[in-house]
Amino acid sequence: GESVGLHLPTLSVQEGDNSIINCAYSNSASDYFIWYKQESGKGPQFIIDIRSNMDKRQGQRVTVLLNKTVKHLSLQIAATQPGDSAVYFCAENMGNTGKLIFGQGTTLQVKP
Amino acid sequence: GAGVSQSPSNKVTEKGKDVELRCDPISGHTALYWYRQSLGQGLEFLIYFQGNSAPDKSGLPSDRFSAERTGGSVSTLTIQRTQQEDSAVYLCASEYADRTDTQYFGPGTRLTVL
Repeated sequence: GESVGLHLPTLSVQEGDNSIINCAYSNSASDYFIWYKQESGKGPQFIIDIRSNMDKRQGQRVTVLLNKTVKHLSLQIAATQPGDSAVYFCAENMGNTGKLIFGQGTTLQVKP
Repeated sequence: GAGVSQSPSNKVTEKGKDVELRCDPISGHTALYWYRQSLGQGLEFLIYFQGNSAPDKSGLPSDRFSAERTGGSVSTLTIQRTQQEDSAVYLCASEYADRTDTQYFGPGTRLTVL
């Protein structure tokens, strides 16, 4: 069946270091991927997205990498800050279904 | 409003009671989604509305769950005869266009069934 999963449930990093959060997906028909950040008590907040015709996309302090060969997605956060502490979810969207399939989430903890 | 709003923010109910959860999407957004998030888990798709098309109800876990969207705007998710396993955060998201745009989430309603 289809699934989106994250390799590590919790990632702890030192403030100022770079963070890498990984995600594996199983459905090769997925053509749109999104990373969301969810802070405690809030709904998920869009961070960055990437379509399957790309392998890299950069935003402000964040970069998403897509490796379709191994069905792997990663989120890189540069110079991680305490405000980056949250749960990060990857999600995939298969073509025109509109239905996002979310992974379980990775908790990012930033140590001062 | 500026974002997606949901009410109530918290709801505590007794097993067997019915509950209604409300979602106000971003003005002008044509698509609306409901998700359920259990503690420490990812988001589970429930139902999707797009314009005047028939909703995609494929994620509803049982016939106790239903949703409607009136006038293409506000949506209500209804859970009948609530069970303890219905306890979760219910999230609503809206989207501008046709399933390929970014979904913007509300803060959610935390439902606790005693």
